[in-house]
Amino acid sequence: DTGVSQDPRHKITKRGQNVTFRCDPISEHNRLYWYRQTLGQGPEFLTYFQNEAQLEKSRLLSDRFSAERPKGSFSTLEIQRTEQGDSAMYLCASSLAWWNEQFFGPGTRLTVL
Amino acid sequence: SQQGEEDPQALSIQEGENATMNCSYKTSINNLQWYRQNSGRGLVHLILIRSNEREKHSGRLRVTLDTSKKSSSLLITASRAADTASYFCATDERNSGGSNYKLTFGKGTLLTVNP
Repeated sequence: DTGVSQDPRHKITKRGQNVTFRCDPISEHNRLYWYRQTLGQGPEFLTYFQNEAQLEKSRLLSDRFSAERPKGSFSTLEIQRTEQGDSAMYLCASSLAWWNEQFFGPGTRLTVL
Repeated sequence: SQQGEEDPQALSIQEGENATMNCSYKTSINNLQWYRQNSGRGLVHLILIRSNEREKHSGRLRVTLDTSKKSSSLLITASRAADTASYFCATDERNSGGSNYKLTFGKGTLLTVNP
């Protein structure tokens, strides 16, 4: 499978715990994006990388959130001190360039108890 | 904020009928993309239409774009039960540098195709 992959697919955690998600983009894609989707809504942009550089962060990304793409390949999204409001589907996407299609992974569904 | 707004919010049709969904947006764009999402799953890319294009086809899908009205439509012909899903339009806003880095989605249209 040469599409975008995400791990884990589901994560249940207790409030206050830290969680980390991983995204593996399509191999030749330079751009990697993180979005968050809550029930009944469309995805909302969180942040994006061009190669290893994080070029933009949404105001949705509080200081409890951090994302990395250390070698310009896979990316991780960490949420510290999780809150119930963090419960959502976290989606990763990648594209070859800004004018190309963004292809999404299957998402990681986070439930914070 | 959500730039694209799909209409209708929900659509129920019989298998074999055509389904039309509309999307309106607010700012200048480079591209508009349509995605499908089955319940609880990731988004599947359907089609991308550029701001200088007016119509695009892919299989049973037909997308139109009217930049003067800031609107787009997605037509699915000869619908199948397997087309049941939420459909989203996503726009990439053109910034001052002419490039873009994010997609802005609407809330989607929930399409139900009854067998």
